[in-house]
Amino acid sequence: NAGVTQTPKFQVLKTGQSMTLQCAQDMNHNSMYWYRQDPGMGLRLIYYSASEGTTDKGEVPNGYNVSRLNKREFSLRLESAAPSQTSVYFCASSYETGLSNEQFFGPGTRLTVL
Amino acid sequence: ILNVEQSPQSLHVQEGDSTNFTCSFPSSNFYALHWYRWETAKSPEALFVMTLNGDEKKKGRISATLNTKEGYSYLYIKGSQPEDSATYLCAPRAAGNKLTFGGGTRVLVKP
Repeated sequence: NAGVTQTPKFQVLKTGQSMTLQCAQDMNHNSMYWYRQDPGMGLRLIYYSASEGTTDKGEVPNGYNVSRLNKREFSLRLESAAPSQTSVYFCASSYETGLSNEQFFGPGTRLTVL
Repeated sequence: ILNVEQSPQSLHVQEGDSTNFTCSFPSSNFYALHWYRWETAKSPEALFVMTLNGDEKKKGRISATLNTKEGYSYLYIKGSQPEDSATYLCAPRAAGNKLTFGGGTRVLVKP
Protein backbone atom coordinates (compact mmCIF):
# COMPACT_ATOMS: atom_id res chain seq x y z
CA ASN A 1 0.00 0.00 0.00
CA ALA A 2 1.34 3.43 -0.94
CA GLY A 3 -0.78 5.25 1.68
CA VAL A 4 -1.28 8.90 0.74
CA THR A 5 0.56 10.15 -2.34
CA GLN A 6 0.91 13.72 -3.59
CA THR A 7 2.14 15.20 -6.86
CA PRO A 8 4.15 17.20 -7.59
CA LYS A 9 6.73 17.27 -4.77
CA PHE A 10 8.00 20.73 -5.74
CA GLN A 11 6.58 23.51 -7.89
CA VAL A 12 7.54 27.08 -8.73
CA LEU A 13 4.85 29.37 -10.16
CA LYS A 14 4.71 32.95 -11.26
CA THR A 15 2.05 35.23 -9.80
CA GLY A 16 -1.22 34.70 -11.65
CA GLN A 17 -0.47 31.20 -12.92
CA SER A 18 -2.77 28.32 -12.06
CA MET A 19 -2.05 24.77 -11.03
CA THR A 20 -3.63 21.71 -9.47
CA LEU A 21 -2.10 19.69 -6.64
CA GLN A 22 -3.04 16.04 -6.79
CA CYS A 23 -3.65 13.70 -3.86
CA ALA A 24 -4.62 10.04 -3.80
CA GLN A 25 -5.05 7.45 -1.05
CA ASP A 26 -5.36 3.68 -1.26
CA MET A 27 -6.62 3.01 2.28
CA ASN A 28 -10.32 3.20 1.43
CA HIS A 29 -10.71 6.24 3.66
CA ASN A 30 -13.86 8.30 3.45
CA SER A 31 -12.47 11.65 4.55
CA MET A 32 -9.70 13.67 2.92
CA TYR A 33 -8.10 16.99 3.82
CA TRP A 34 -5.82 19.69 2.46
CA TYR A 35 -3.56 21.65 4.84
CA ARG A 36 -0.94 24.30 4.40
CA GLN A 37 2.07 24.62 6.68
CA ASP A 38 3.76 27.96 7.23
CA PRO A 39 6.62 28.71 9.63
CA GLY A 40 5.42 29.21 13.19
CA MET A 41 1.78 28.52 12.28
CA GLY A 42 1.45 24.76 12.40
CA LEU A 43 -0.96 23.10 9.99
CA ARG A 44 -4.00 25.05 8.84
CA LEU A 45 -6.95 23.37 7.16
CA ILE A 46 -7.79 24.71 3.70
CA TYR A 47 -10.62 22.37 2.62
CA TYR A 48 -11.83 18.94 3.52
CA SER A 49 -14.12 16.28 2.15
CA ALA A 50 -16.02 14.16 4.65
CA SER A 51 -17.10 11.73 1.95
CA GLU A 52 -17.14 11.30 -1.80
CA GLY A 53 -19.19 14.05 -3.38
CA THR A 54 -18.94 16.53 -0.50
CA THR A 55 -16.47 19.32 0.23
CA ASP A 56 -16.34 21.98 2.93
CA LYS A 57 -14.24 25.01 3.70
CA GLY A 58 -11.65 24.90 6.42
CA GLU A 59 -9.85 27.71 8.18
CA VAL A 60 -8.10 29.31 5.16
CA PRO A 61 -10.06 28.53 1.94
CA ASN A 62 -9.67 31.82 0.08
CA GLY A 63 -7.82 31.49 -3.23
CA TYR A 64 -8.34 27.73 -3.45
CA ASN A 65 -10.82 25.28 -4.92
CA VAL A 66 -11.06 21.53 -4.46
CA SER A 67 -12.51 18.54 -6.23
CA ARG A 68 -13.27 15.15 -4.72
CA LEU A 69 -12.97 13.25 -7.98
CA ASN A 70 -13.79 9.87 -6.45
CA LYS A 71 -13.20 8.13 -3.14
CA ARG A 72 -9.44 7.89 -3.77
CA GLU A 73 -8.60 11.32 -5.14
CA PHE A 74 -8.87 14.86 -3.78
CA SER A 75 -7.30 17.72 -5.73
CA LEU A 76 -6.50 21.30 -4.74
CA ARG A 77 -6.52 24.04 -7.37
CA LEU A 78 -4.98 27.48 -7.28
CA GLU A 79 -6.70 29.51 -9.99
CA SER A 80 -4.45 32.57 -9.80
CA ALA A 81 -1.44 32.00 -7.60
CA ALA A 82 -0.22 34.73 -5.25
CA PRO A 83 3.05 35.00 -3.30
CA SER A 84 1.02 34.58 -0.08
CA GLN A 85 0.29 31.03 -1.22
CA THR A 86 3.95 30.08 -1.00
CA SER A 87 3.81 27.21 1.47
CA VAL A 88 4.10 23.49 1.98
CA TYR A 89 0.84 21.71 1.23
CA PHE A 90 -0.13 18.44 2.88
CA CYS A 91 -2.94 16.12 1.96
CA ALA A 92 -4.33 13.74 4.58
CA SER A 93 -7.03 11.09 4.84
CA SER A 94 -8.91 9.32 7.61
CA TYR A 95 -11.82 7.00 8.32
CA GLU A 96 -15.01 8.97 8.77
CA THR A 97 -16.33 7.17 11.78
CA GLY A 98 -14.91 5.97 15.06
CA LEU A 99 -13.25 7.64 17.97
CA SER A 100 -9.76 7.25 16.55
CA ASN A 101 -10.11 9.06 13.24
CA GLU A 102 -6.32 9.14 12.94
CA GLN A 103 -5.24 11.17 9.94
CA PHE A 104 -2.57 9.85 7.58
CA PHE A 105 -0.48 12.42 5.78
CA GLY A 106 1.11 12.53 2.37
CA PRO A 107 4.73 13.65 1.80
CA GLY A 108 3.82 17.25 1.01
CA THR A 109 4.17 19.61 -1.96
CA ARG A 110 6.51 22.57 -1.60
CA LEU A 111 5.10 25.46 -3.63
CA THR A 112 6.86 28.74 -4.31
CA VAL A 113 5.02 31.61 -5.97
CA LEU A 114 7.26 34.34 -7.35
CA ILE B 1 -11.69 27.88 14.96
CA LEU B 2 -10.33 26.48 18.23
CA ASN B 3 -7.58 28.29 20.07
CA VAL B 4 -4.84 25.70 20.57
CA GLU B 5 -1.61 26.64 22.29
CA GLN B 6 1.51 24.58 22.69
CA SER B 7 4.36 25.54 24.97
CA PRO B 8 7.18 25.92 24.81
CA GLN B 9 7.62 26.56 21.07
CA SER B 10 11.01 24.88 21.19
CA LEU B 11 13.30 23.22 23.66
CA HIS B 12 16.76 21.74 23.72
CA VAL B 13 17.27 18.58 25.73
CA GLN B 14 20.48 16.79 26.61
CA GLU B 15 20.56 13.15 25.58
CA GLY B 16 19.38 10.98 28.45
CA ASP B 17 17.35 13.74 30.10
CA SER B 18 13.57 13.63 30.37
CA THR B 19 11.31 16.44 29.27
CA ASN B 20 7.67 17.38 28.93
CA PHE B 21 5.58 20.03 27.21
CA THR B 22 2.00 21.22 27.12
CA CYS B 23 -0.97 21.50 24.81
CA SER B 24 -3.85 23.77 25.90
CA PHE B 25 -7.25 23.74 24.21
CA PRO B 26 -10.86 24.80 24.88
CA SER B 27 -12.50 22.32 27.23
CA SER B 28 -15.99 22.89 25.85
CA ASN B 29 -17.30 20.68 23.04
CA PHE B 30 -14.31 18.36 23.38
CA TYR B 31 -14.33 15.07 21.49
CA ALA B 32 -10.73 13.85 21.19
CA LEU B 33 -7.12 14.99 21.29
CA HIS B 34 -4.53 13.85 18.78
CA TRP B 35 -0.75 14.00 19.17
CA TYR B 36 1.49 13.84 16.09
CA ARG B 37 5.22 13.52 15.69
CA TRP B 38 6.74 15.40 12.76
CA GLU B 39 10.34 14.84 11.75
CA THR B 40 12.05 17.31 9.46
CA ALA B 41 11.48 16.58 5.75
CA LYS B 42 8.88 13.93 6.58
CA SER B 43 5.11 13.84 7.10
CA PRO B 44 3.37 14.07 10.47
CA GLU B 45 2.76 10.66 12.02
CA ALA B 46 0.13 9.90 14.63
CA LEU B 47 1.34 9.14 18.16
CA PHE B 48 -1.79 9.04 20.27
CA VAL B 49 -5.51 9.67 20.16
CA MET B 50 -6.99 10.40 23.57
CA THR B 51 -10.64 10.81 24.41
CA LEU B 52 -11.37 10.39 28.12
CA ASN B 53 -10.48 12.67 31.00
CA GLY B 54 -7.55 11.11 32.83
CA ASP B 55 -6.46 9.09 29.80
CA GLU B 56 -2.82 8.08 29.72
CA LYS B 57 -1.16 6.68 26.63
CA LYS B 58 2.35 5.31 26.20
CA LYS B 59 4.49 4.36 23.23
CA GLY B 60 8.03 3.37 24.14
CA ARG B 61 9.62 6.28 26.01
CA ILE B 62 6.88 8.73 25.02
CA SER B 63 3.71 9.11 27.04
CA ALA B 64 0.83 11.55 27.26
CA THR B 65 -1.87 12.52 29.73
CA LEU B 66 -5.17 14.28 29.18
CA ASN B 67 -7.27 16.62 31.32
CA THR B 68 -10.46 17.46 29.45
CA LYS B 69 -12.04 19.43 32.30
CA GLU B 70 -9.30 22.05 32.35
CA GLY B 71 -8.32 21.66 28.69
CA TYR B 72 -4.73 20.51 28.63
CA SER B 73 -2.52 17.57 27.73
CA TYR B 74 1.09 16.84 28.61
CA LEU B 75 3.50 14.88 26.47
CA TYR B 76 6.51 13.34 28.21
CA ILE B 77 9.73 11.98 26.75
CA LYS B 78 11.73 9.82 29.15
CA GLY B 79 15.48 9.46 28.63
CA SER B 80 15.53 11.52 25.41
CA GLN B 81 17.49 10.18 22.46
CA PRO B 82 18.63 12.05 19.32
CA GLU B 83 15.98 10.21 17.29
CA ASP B 84 13.33 11.92 19.43
CA SER B 85 14.24 15.23 17.78
CA ALA B 86 11.09 16.34 15.99
CA THR B 87 8.20 18.76 16.18
CA TYR B 88 5.33 17.45 18.29
CA LEU B 89 1.89 18.66 17.28
CA CYS B 90 -1.32 18.42 19.24
CA ALA B 91 -4.73 18.71 17.62
CA PRO B 92 -8.04 18.70 19.49
CA ARG B 93 -11.15 17.55 17.69
CA ALA B 94 -14.62 18.87 18.37
CA ALA B 95 -17.63 17.00 16.96
CA GLY B 96 -16.92 16.11 13.35
CA ASN B 97 -13.73 15.06 11.65
CA LYS B 98 -11.80 18.32 11.61
CA LEU B 99 -8.65 18.72 13.67
CA THR B 100 -7.26 22.08 14.77
CA PHE B 101 -3.49 21.92 15.07
CA GLY B 102 -1.39 23.82 17.54
CA GLY B 103 1.83 25.48 16.43
CA GLY B 104 3.90 22.59 17.75
CA THR B 105 6.79 22.13 20.17
CA ARG B 106 10.10 21.64 18.41
CA VAL B 107 12.36 19.30 20.38
CA LEU B 108 16.10 19.07 19.71
CA VAL B 109 17.98 16.38 21.60
CA LYS B 110 21.69 17.07 21.84
CA PRO B 111 24.11 14.11 22.01
